Amino acid sequence: EVQLVESGGGLVQPGRSMKLSCAASGFTFSSFPMAWVRQAPTKGLEWVATISTSGGSTYYRDSVKGRFTISRDNAKSTLYLQMNSLRSEDTATYYCTRDAGSGWGQGVMVTVSS
Amino acid sequence: DIVLTQAPLSVSVTPGESASISCRSSKSLLSSKGITSLYWYLQRPGKSPQLLIYQMSNLASGVPDRFSSSGSETDFTLKISKVETEDVGVYYCGHRLEYPWTFGGGTKLELK
Repeated sequence: EVQLVESGGGLVQPGRSMKLSCAASGFTFSSFPMAWVRQAPTKGLEWVATISTSGGSTYYRDSVKGRFTISRDNAKSTLYLQMNSLRSEDTATYYCTRDAGSGWGQGVMVTVSS
Repeated sequence: DIVLTQAPLSVSVTPGESASISCRSSKSLLSSKGITSLYWYLQRPGKSPQLLIYQMSNLASGVPDRFSSSGSETDFTLKISKVETEDVGVYYCGHRLEYPWTFGGGTKLELK
């Protein structure tokens, strides 16, 4: 069974940084591209970033380019999202997803507020 | 960016009846490999989304065959036959044709 468990969320001040982690199990992590998708309170789904199986290719939505970094450690079956220069509009539940959404974590809430 | 427009915004269905949700793309979702990059997800209340359909018409693992999807290169329909209480939630279409990946705005399914 695919399991994805996010951690690292919470309350952070604007301009500060936060790093999310996603521990994967139940499948061969290194064989799948991984992604982060977020959902602002009462809003729809918004893709944030994707990383290839090796980590050699990464893709970001324009609003987070230069501020967020997606990475992975295949030896630890863990996905990361380093978020810098956080803004109030980054407030959302962040989901770790496998490939095109064939597995989702439970989500972790990130609140950016002073 | 590819814009996905879902209709209706909400639908109310009697249990046992059928429901259909539309998703229209601003661009063809047919890839150069001949795959239509359209996905359907269900987000039940208070839960994470789950994949229902991939590549326009393929049922994801564990999804009951009451769910089906069809379409062209730009117009797609998710059909739910014999709606059950567990089908309540928000349905999203999404594409993976190119970056940025985008989602439709969602369609809320409720029971009468």
